[in-house]
Amino acid sequence: SQQGEEDPQALSIQEGENATMNCSYKTSINNLQWYRQNSGRGLVHLILIRSNEREKHSGRLRVTLDTSKKSSSLLITASRAADTASYFCATDGGTGGFKTIFGAGTRLFVKA
Amino acid sequence: EAQVTQNPRYLITVTGKKLTVTCSQNMNHEYMSWYRQDPGLGLRQIYYSMNVEVTDKGDVPEGYKVSRKEKRNFPLILESPSPNQTSLYFCASSLSRGSGNTIYFGEGSWLTVV
Repeated sequence: SQQGEEDPQALSIQEGENATMNCSYKTSINNLQWYRQNSGRGLVHLILIRSNEREKHSGRLRVTLDTSKKSSSLLITASRAADTASYFCATDGGTGGFKTIFGAGTRLFVKA
Repeated sequence: EAQVTQNPRYLITVTGKKLTVTCSQNMNHEYMSWYRQDPGLGLRQIYYSMNVEVTDKGDVPEGYKVSRKEKRNFPLILESPSPNQTSLYFCASSLSRGSGNTIYFGEGSWLTVV
């Protein structure tokens, strides 16, 4: 089964609202990354958080990591229509950092 | 500009007709890989390469071949395509194999096998 599983599968919000997506994983990790994919396009790296970090920020993005719960969340504040995309978490799947495994993603739709 | 370039972007082919999807990166990355993306299944790794002349199977290698003769290029070969290989394919590269590296993706190649 996939290492990272995003929740919810789909999310629809109004422009200006915050969007929160969650990622759960099964085994210990060294790193966790979040990627974004516009419809039918390539994935783009957003942020990486290491296992010894609890929170990271990048612009309107805030990522948290709770290794005790084996979960991470991605918060997009003050969302815009242009944030409409799929968001994927990627972990090393307990491979000791040698492999990156992607979850199935959360589809975010931001209504203008 | 850092880029992973793959071609063709769109292709419709017939069962059994050999095809090659090219991939090139301009970042001098050691690690390159191919993924396929299917609805509900997420991204699955087909093959990867840790450096020139070093390739290995990913999670779904059946029906595919790769080669890495030059550092920048990593073509994906479908010797005898079948309809179950209809998918969206991505080439990707990173500095090295470790999960702490940012992965750069190409724009994708939509392949339909009829």
